[in-house]
Amino acid sequence: EIVLTQSPGTLSLSPGERATLSCRASQSVSSTYLAWYQQKPGQAPRLLIYGASSRATGIPDRFSGSGSGTDFTLTISRLEPEDFAVYCCQQYGGSPYSFGQGTKLEIK
Amino acid sequence: EVQLVESGGGLVKPGGSLRLSCAASGFTFSSYTMNWVRQAPGKGLEWVSFISSTSSYIYYADSVKGRFTISRDNAKNSLYLQMNSLRVEDTAVYYCARVQLGPFAAFDIWGQGTMVTVSS
Repeated sequence: EIVLTQSPGTLSLSPGERATLSCRASQSVSSTYLAWYQQKPGQAPRLLIYGASSRATGIPDRFSGSGSGTDFTLTISRLEPEDFAVYCCQQYGGSPYSFGQGTKLEIK
Repeated sequence: EVQLVESGGGLVKPGGSLRLSCAASGFTFSSYTMNWVRQAPGKGLEWVSFISSTSSYIYYADSVKGRFTISRDNAKNSLYLQMNSLRVEDTAVYYCARVQLGPFAAFDIWGQGTMVTVSS
C-alpha cells in the first residue's frame, strides 16, 4: 500500500501570499495518477489537479501542481480568501487507492 | 447539471447493517467507474470501494473487505454500498465519487455525503 504524507499539517498565511504544499509518497507514483483536492468545512472534496499538473475544469490558474516519483507539490500563487481550506493529495494508480492526511491552510 | 446524491445513512448499532444509495444525474452513468470514499469525524479521506462501469472490476479497502458490498444498477443510474457487520470505526460521512473518463482517472464529481453513525 502506498502511504502519502503531506506537509506541513497546518500552514498559516495571509491573502496575497504564496502557498506551497507537499505530498510525499512511500513509493514511486506515476504522475498520471496523482491528484489534489480542496475541501471546505461541511462540503465534499473538490478536484483541483489531476495527473499531477493538470487543472480540473473551472479551477483558477493560481493553482498549479508539479512533481514526479515520490515528491509532489501544490502551489497557490496568490492566496484569495476563498482558498483557505484543507488540501489533500491522492494516488489512484491501483488498489488500494490512498489519500494523504491533509494540509490545513489557515488565515494568519 | 451533473450531480450525485447519496442517501441511506443513519444511526445503527454495532453489528447492524445499512444500505447506502447514490443517485446519479446529468451524465451517462453507465459509462463511468464509481467509488465510495468515507471520512470519519475530524479525520482525512479514506477510499472504501471501486466498481467499474460494467461491474466487471470491484475492489475494496482491507478495512471493509468481507463486510461491505458495492454494486450498481445502470438502468436506474444508481450506485449502492451494502454495509454489514458494522463497527464503531465505520462511523463516517460516506461519499460517492465519479472517476473521470480518460487516462487520468481522478475523482472528478462527488456527492454531498451521507452520515453513518455506528453506536450502541
